[in-house]
Amino acid sequence: DTGVSQDPRHKITKRGQNVTFRCDPISEHNRLYWYRQTLGQGPEFLTYFQNEAQLEKSRLLSDRFSAERPKGSFSTLEIQRTEQGDSAMYLCASSLEWGGASGPYNEQFFGPGTRLTVL
Amino acid sequence: GQNIDQPTEMTATEGAIVQINCTYQTSGFNGLFWYQQHAGEAPTFLSYNVLDGLEEKGRFSSFLSRSKGYSYLLLKELQMKDSASYLCAVRVAGANNLFFGTGTRLTVIP
Repeated sequence: DTGVSQDPRHKITKRGQNVTFRCDPISEHNRLYWYRQTLGQGPEFLTYFQNEAQLEKSRLLSDRFSAERPKGSFSTLEIQRTEQGDSAMYLCASSLEWGGASGPYNEQFFGPGTRLTVL
Repeated sequence: GQNIDQPTEMTATEGAIVQINCTYQTSGFNGLFWYQQHAGEAPTFLSYNVLDGLEEKGRFSSFLSRSKGYSYLLLKELQMKDSASYLCAVRVAGANNLFFGTGTRLTVIP
């Protein structure tokens, strides 16, 4: 396992269509995060999972967005009825959280991202 | 709310030293991260500070002052490949995600 992988790397869709992205985290990592990044901005947090449980969702995550991590391994992010404003890079990150303490061992490793373009 | 400020762009010369500043106002603090991001690529981890002081890692160093809500990333012996965006991110106490600044785009010129 060489890192976090995401599929597809690029997606072009028409407004109103549904899209689904996949993230495969580093295998031993128990936490998985989704972020969205637009041009010239830093990543913005969307949601995160501890194993299979979705523990937190940002207000950015409208009801058109849904994320799952059914077996605590890979995750999917689905956007329904896409809008042009959804065009962005969707980044997945994973980390190994232990002991409830924060430290460099909680570093988040990012995947290459899925670039979504909504026409 | 959370706020992180970084300069938008910086230019420096190959072989020189550059300091990228980051100031933050957050509701609680539980660590500050610096990431490097080349255009079209994923952010990669550079450094982490949770206590005041300087952390050195090869050509890169990061400093934190919690009382001032201030950090900087110091890059020495700049190389052309250091041209990238540098993202300052804070882990807010009680939260698990990272809150990122907009990033500083560094251009290294010959």
